Amino acid sequence: AQSVSQHNHHVILSEAASLELGCNYSYGGTVNLFWYVQYPGQHLQLLLKYFSGDPLVKGIKGFEAEFIKSKFSFNLRKPSVQWSDTAEYFCAVASGTYKYIFGTGTRLKVLA
Amino acid sequence: EAGVTQSPTHLIKTRGQQATLRCSPISGHTSVYWYQQALGLGLQFLLWYDEGEERNRGNFPPRFSGRQFPNYSSELNVNALELEDSALYLCASSLGDRGRETQYFGPGTRLLVL
Repeated sequence: AQSVSQHNHHVILSEAASLELGCNYSYGGTVNLFWYVQYPGQHLQLLLKYFSGDPLVKGIKGFEAEFIKSKFSFNLRKPSVQWSDTAEYFCAVASGTYKYIFGTGTRLKVLA
Repeated sequence: EAGVTQSPTHLIKTRGQQATLRCSPISGHTSVYWYQQALGLGLQFLLWYDEGEERNRGNFPPRFSGRQFPNYSSELNVNALELEDSALYLCASSLGDRGRETQYFGPGTRLLVL
């Protein structure tokens, strides 16, 4: 069965620290990959997405993600986090049958 | 531009009853998705509607059903409610779908089954 794993459930960082959130999926075919974010009190919203081409994708607010096909991974990164990045982050995969599978989420807390 | 709206915001039911949840997509969006977000389980894909048709469903029993109306709004029905159906139900919409469209999420309906 298809699945998406986010290994870090809770992450606490100080401002200016670098961030990397892991995302691994299991599906052998073509996939489209997404990172969504939910800020406190707000709706889920898209951070970035990857379909094809350059495996390094840039999103909003300085986030980027790298698709490594051989590792079935799509990790999210940010060189220097801010307090306002405190949120829950979800990795998602859309398979060829357009079933969307979300990971269980990673709660990030950035200390000012 | 109005976002995705959902009603009601909260719903309390007892075991065995039926629940109906509603979703209005962003104007111009034809695809509507339903997700269940239970504690610790992330978002579980429930249903996808596009142009009035059910296009795909997740691994949920048939008592989870829904429909999409001609104005693209959607309804999720949960029959024979069980305690474990207690969760936040999220609706999202997009401009059609080929697995690439950004989904825009609503605030959710929190269902509590007693």
